[in-house]
Amino acid sequence: RKEVEQDPGPFNVPEGATVAFNCTYSNSASQSFFWYRQDCRKEPKLLMSVYSSGNEDGRFTAQLNRASQYISLLIRDSKLSDSATYLCVVTESGSARQLTFGSGTQLTVLP
Amino acid sequence: NAGVTQTPKFQVLKTGQSMTLQCAQDMNHEYMSWYRQDPGMGLRLIHYSVGAGITDQGEVPNGYNVSRSTTEDFPLRLLSAAPSQTSVYFCASSRGTSSGNTIYFGEGSWLTVV
Repeated sequence: RKEVEQDPGPFNVPEGATVAFNCTYSNSASQSFFWYRQDCRKEPKLLMSVYSSGNEDGRFTAQLNRASQYISLLIRDSKLSDSATYLCVVTESGSARQLTFGSGTQLTVLP
Repeated sequence: NAGVTQTPKFQVLKTGQSMTLQCAQDMNHEYMSWYRQDPGMGLRLIHYSVGAGITDQGEVPNGYNVSRSTTEDFPLRLLSAAPSQTSVYFCASSRGTSSGNTIYFGEGSWLTVV
């Protein structure tokens, strides 16, 4: 079983739709959680950190459910520019060298 | 504002050849690392460095060497290339070793070993 699992998709949604991704992690000792965005043939870039209380950044909302060991990313009012692969990232310790990346969920927003 | 610069962007190697992927950052970051990304898998850590003169192995270090003679540079050497090393390689850096520091990735190096 992978340590961090994501539905690979692809998710194809119309512009303006709301879409949600889940990511499950196996290590209950995991402490820090992030969502990265990766455009096709580009490098990953930090989208947002995920806090226990949940956090929002514009159209993006991230939530953490420690009891069920999953994190989620909600995108409201999808834009064409949101088309990308979204990577779930988890770390057990607070160390950058112990980041575990999910394989990503592909999103395509259609006009 | 260069950030993390990787070269080359594309490379084709024959089995058994050696090569070096270059990585440089201009942000005075302590922490640098190399990842590989394969289809259907997340990024996997190859080697990392917490400062000049200090390197350590990540999850998949076999077949690769690194060195960190300066803060800025962190080259990755493939000693004897194998087809299993066909992958996309990303160099990354961050200000410190805490996962709370934003990690900046280079644009990637696409390597094919034939």
